Amino acid sequence: NAGVTQTPKFQVLKTGQSMTLQCAQDMNHEYMSWYRQDPGMGLRLIHYSVGAGITDQGEVPNGYNVSRSTTEDFPLRLLSAAPSQTSVYFCASSSGGGGSYEQYFGPGTRLTVT
Amino acid sequence: RKEVEQDPGPFNVPEGATVAFNCTYSNSASQSFFWYRQDCRKEPKLLMSVYSSGNEDGRFTAQLNRASQYISLLIRDSKLSDSATYLCVSGTGTASKLTFGTGTRLQVTL
Repeated sequence: NAGVTQTPKFQVLKTGQSMTLQCAQDMNHEYMSWYRQDPGMGLRLIHYSVGAGITDQGEVPNGYNVSRSTTEDFPLRLLSAAPSQTSVYFCASSSGGGGSYEQYFGPGTRLTVT
Repeated sequence: RKEVEQDPGPFNVPEGATVAFNCTYSNSASQSFFWYRQDCRKEPKLLMSVYSSGNEDGRFTAQLNRASQYISLLIRDSKLSDSATYLCVSGTGTASKLTFGTGTRLQVTL
């Protein structure tokens, strides 16, 4: 089991560029989420999915899109990168909802927007 | 006001010491609570869930006080390997929506 994998590990973008952060899990988890972590802010939920074909917004969704075409994959798209999106992005999955299940996090993507 | 508040630390303690972290949450609808551990430049990992009755896992004890909306983590006999940031987390409603505190940094020294 690889668990939750994320690519790339590091990325530098110029303002206005778009890109997709990849996330995959091999645990057959229904629930997947994207968080960003900034100094002094803690992890904040961007988007989440409760199953293939179903996504919803979290706390800070602006500037990001997601889709969930398969159980395994949950990519995060930055539409037009801004310096405010410089952050560490974590993807997570869990076997259930209700906030009662352990979240398994990927290793993170460190994104810098110049 | 942040929904989950923690003292950022750092807490610098000698090996073998007992250290306690506190956390408060503001959303009275929060139903589940956790402590996650995050090593430097790594992903968070679940340390333990927190139950109303309190729970213990080896050297770690977690307590929840719903009336005061307060969560604690006690680490006994600290080891160098306990050095990390400890994240207090609350969960509400469906769909694994978790709210993370900013974390408390612990540094255990010889």
